[in-house]
Amino acid sequence: GAVVSQHPSWVICKSGTSVKIECRSLDFQATTMFWYRQFPKQSLMLMATSNEGSKATYEQGVEKDKFLINHASLTLSTLTVTSAHPEDSSFYICSATGVGNNQPQHFGDGTRLSIL
Amino acid sequence: GENVEQHPSTLSVQEGDSAVIKCTYSDSASNYFPWYKQELGKRPQLIIDIRSNVGEKKDQRIAVTLNKTAKHFSLHITETQPEDSAVYFCAARSTDSWGKLQFGAGTQVVVTP
Repeated sequence: GAVVSQHPSWVICKSGTSVKIECRSLDFQATTMFWYRQFPKQSLMLMATSNEGSKATYEQGVEKDKFLINHASLTLSTLTVTSAHPEDSSFYICSATGVGNNQPQHFGDGTRLSIL
Repeated sequence: GENVEQHPSTLSVQEGDSAVIKCTYSDSASNYFPWYKQELGKRPQLIIDIRSNVGEKKDQRIAVTLNKTAKHFSLHITETQPEDSAVYFCAARSTDSWGKLQFGAGTQVVVTP
């Protein structure tokens, strides 16, 4: 149980394009989803917290107009990197927690984004 | 906010020996402490977690201890095997953080045959 699916797993695109990443909880309802960014050999850096039906809460230093997050249902959240540039290249990972307090976070497989 | 420190950053052990990773946290309101294992290019996988009302938890070769007074917790892996090689992250979650986890910097564990 507690499977989180993330797509796509790998994206290469030109500078200036927008990229959408999907995060789905397959066998549970995710009231909260989290989006992380991870650089090589570094820890996970939380970008934003997404609650179903409400606006995402962004961490300090994360541009909300650059990284658009939508959490329209209890099983789907999307992250759109708008007008992507080479410095946006990174490994993006989502996680989800189920209904109720003290639920563990379950991670998706991640998306490796490369901007040329 | 919460701050989690993790040591060591790298750990090399001989197969069959034990590995210990230590973490400290700053927020006394934190009450949930998971450990994740991440292999290169893959997702972090939850391997064990502990809540603040428990001092120790064990699952086969893996155990976690928590000292709330000192605000530190540790991961113990016994009888290490080559497949235990990965990066391990500790994390802490505060009751007032909307479920957010604060991660440690990670420990690269290498188990040599």
